Amino acid sequence: DVKVTQSSRYLVKRTGEKVFLECVQDMDHENMFWYRQDPGLGLRLIYFSYDVKMKEKGDIPEGYSVSREKKERFSLILESASTNQTSMYLCASSLSQQGADTEAFFGQGTRLTVV
Amino acid sequence: LAKTTQPISMDSYEGQEVNITCSHNNIATNDYITWYQQFPSQGPRFIIQGYKTKVTNEVASLFIPADRKSSTLSLPRVSLSDTAVYYCLVVGGDTGNQFYFGTGTSLTVIP
Repeated sequence: DVKVTQSSRYLVKRTGEKVFLECVQDMDHENMFWYRQDPGLGLRLIYFSYDVKMKEKGDIPEGYSVSREKKERFSLILESASTNQTSMYLCASSLSQQGADTEAFFGQGTRLTVV
Repeated sequence: LAKTTQPISMDSYEGQEVNITCSHNNIATNDYITWYQQFPSQGPRFIIQGYKTKVTNEVASLFIPADRKSSTLSLPRVSLSDTAVYYCLVVGGDTGNQFYFGTGTSLTVIP
């Protein structure tokens, strides 16, 4: 069974802290993604990675960085957390093939609160 | 990148057929049209994908006209459990492997 696992369901951090959100997939997928979801704004792509050590910016990369040292793990890093980064964060993965059957599989999400 | 436009919200009574239309005017030749469903406190999940004409599975039907600039997701005889947000995406081909979800359509099924 396909599985994308995010390390925490709920997280509370203080302003200015460095925050790591971890995501692991067990499907040997090449692509991995980080989104944030806010009311009225839908899902917005922060970063994605199409291979180990490769990354590309999405729509809203400011204030975030990512790390992909191993194929199965994709980390989202908030260098200095701010209250406007309070949000639901969703990780996803997919195969690298293009065209049909390009399905993204999501984790359960991490609700991050920055106080 | 082919972005999509869909209604923000819809209401429907139980047992009715629901049609959600999405426009994707800049769809590329090799792009596929894909729909996802998201329940509260969960990640989105894939429900259907198509390239042209009609696709049907156990959950929904997807209608795509010849020009492929729009598509319609059809949910037959909805129930309360179909209350969710539905996202239309174009993926693959010239879009590459990025998945842009947008705001989706929030469907509320009323008893």
